[in-house]
Amino acid sequence: GIQVEQSPPDLILQEGANSTLRCNFSDSVNNLQWFHQNPWGQLINLFYIPSGTKQNGRLSATTVATERYSLLYISSSQTTDSGVYFCAVPLSNDYKLSFGAGTTVTVRA
Amino acid sequence: NAGVTQTPKFRVLKTGQSMTLLCAQDMNHEYMYWYRQDPGMGLRLIHYSVGEGTTAKGEVPDGYNVSRLKKQNFLLGLESAAPSQTSVYFCASSLTSGVRGTQYFGPGTRLLVL
Repeated sequence: GIQVEQSPPDLILQEGANSTLRCNFSDSVNNLQWFHQNPWGQLINLFYIPSGTKQNGRLSATTVATERYSLLYISSSQTTDSGVYFCAVPLSNDYKLSFGAGTTVTVRA
Repeated sequence: NAGVTQTPKFRVLKTGQSMTLLCAQDMNHEYMYWYRQDPGMGLRLIHYSVGEGTTAKGEVPDGYNVSRLKKQNFLLGLESAAPSQTSVYFCASSLTSGVRGTQYFGPGTRLLVL
């Protein structure tokens, strides 16, 4: 099946810093989603982004489908950005998702 | 609008016991999913449903059964719990697929099997 690799596995930031998280996938996809899992375990969908660029406040994401990677940008990080960020791509069709292992982000005040 | 809810939030079972996890969504979504999350890992799909009365296997279906008798509910059953099923279980739903395939997650159920 499709392989999803996220980097870095861990990231420690000072409040106000910017960062980039990366998601590589092994096959072409028509669906890619980014999720944030907060320290209390709740999973929130951030982006549905099979290609192109989207922005939502201080977060933005870019997927380059032809080169099989996606990037998540966090600008002016805040302590509430802490948690685990997952990217997910389809297992075999465009709705069954395979998740990467995640990037754990810790933002320090 | 509660979104996706899960019952119970936490449960302790003994090996061999059975239980049912309930997922409910009030967004009129067609598709529903059950995942498990183990420490240090991403989520893995157990079973899913693309509509009322339908179910299908995901990546790790062994030891679990599901039912979708009503559109808004998706039940996950463990017939004979094993310690390897200790995990956090998440339910999710989506409108359909493609651009309407954004998945919305419930708060999770922590299960400990002794």
